[in-house]
This record gives sequence, structure tokens and C-alpha cells, in this order.
Amino acid sequence: DAGVTQSPTHLIKTRGQQVTLRCSPKSGHDTVSWYQQALGQGPQFIFQYYEEEERQRGNFPDRFSGHQFPNYSSELNVNALLLGDSALYLCASSSKTSGETQYFGPGTRLLVL
Amino acid sequence: AQRVTQPEKLLSVFKGAPVELKCNYSYSGSPELFWYVQYSRQRLQLLLRHISRESIKGFTADLNKGETSFHLKKPFAQEEDSAMYYCAPLIQGAQKLVFGQGTRLTINP
Repeated sequence: DAGVTQSPTHLIKTRGQQVTLRCSPKSGHDTVSWYQQALGQGPQFIFQYYEEEERQRGNFPDRFSGHQFPNYSSELNVNALLLGDSALYLCASSSKTSGETQYFGPGTRLLVL
Repeated sequence: AQRVTQPEKLLSVFKGAPVELKCNYSYSGSPELFWYVQYSRQRLQLLLRHISRESIKGFTADLNKGETSFHLKKPFAQEEDSAMYYCAPLIQGAQKLVFGQGTRLTINP
């Protein structure tokens, strides 16, 4: 099991553009959570997907949206990018069988110019 | 509001010395508490979870509900313990982790 995988590893965009980040959960996990980690800060919860629906959401604007597919993989979309969206985006997967412990992917580093 | 405080941004100790990384949280319920670690150029990984009461890599953490603290301890630090450490309660119901700003631990030889 490769664990949680994310793509791409790095991305450079310009202000106003849109971006899609992808995540494949650990085998056997059905829940995907997304976090934003700004430089020098701890990760901040964006939202969580379970059974293809957004189950919980943090304090992020509607420009941040997501999707979960039937195979439990997930996408994070950010529209109208701002310079402040530059960060490491982390995906974490979990399940009831993992006791809801969240396992993290390597992250996608997004730079907005 | 749920908040996690890790008062030391940087902590430096000598190899073989005891180490304690502090974590205080404010949360009205009974959270599940975690410590995550990030070694250089590696992903964030689970170090320990208080409910399992395991000792991982020699680290332990005791939940003090009265003080709302979950400090991480190790009696004898090793050089390979140098990393970034994050305390994170899991907010029940919301199933989201709330991270502190992290403590960068450096073990000097």
C-alpha cells in the first residue's frame, strides 16, 4: 500500500486562475480531509468528504470546493486564486476501521504569483 | 472556539537529555488527542494517540483534563528525534484535527 498519494507535487499558478489538486486515500479508507498549511503554521482544516458528500467544512471561502469519487479519491478545487492561497495542501484519509486516525499524504505545494 | 497552544516554537536540547513539548488546548468536549511529527523532507505522520496509551519511539503523552494539557515527553532524547512536532485534538462530531503551530525540536550532539 503506497499510503495516501497526492498530485501534483508542485504547482505554480497566477492570480485569478483556478487549480485542481488530487488525492488518493490509503487502501481501505473512505474519508478524505483536506488541510492548508501556510509557511510556518500548522495545518488548517478546509473540509472533509465522506460518501461523496462534504461532511464538514472549516473557515474557508466558497472559492474552495471539492469532490469525492466512488473510489473514495478526492479533488480540491480553488477558484480565483489569490496570493494568500500559496501554501502546502495536505490530504488525509481515515475510516472507522482506522479509529478515525488520519493519515497524511506528502502534500501539494501551490505557489500563486 | 477550539484552540491549541504549543508555547515553544523552537526547542533545543542535548542528546540524552529529557525532552518535554508542551501542548494546551481549549475545547468544551472530550477530544481525542494526537501528536503528529514531521521529519525533514517527509510527510506528516502519526506519532501517538492518547487513547491507545502506546509509547512510540520512546515518547509518551499524558492527558491532563484539569489543565487541558497533553504534553509530549521522552526521557532520553536522540538525534533522530529532531523534527517538527504538532499537537492536534480531533474534534468529535466534526472529525477534524485542530493543529497547533508546532514546535521545532533540535537535538544537539
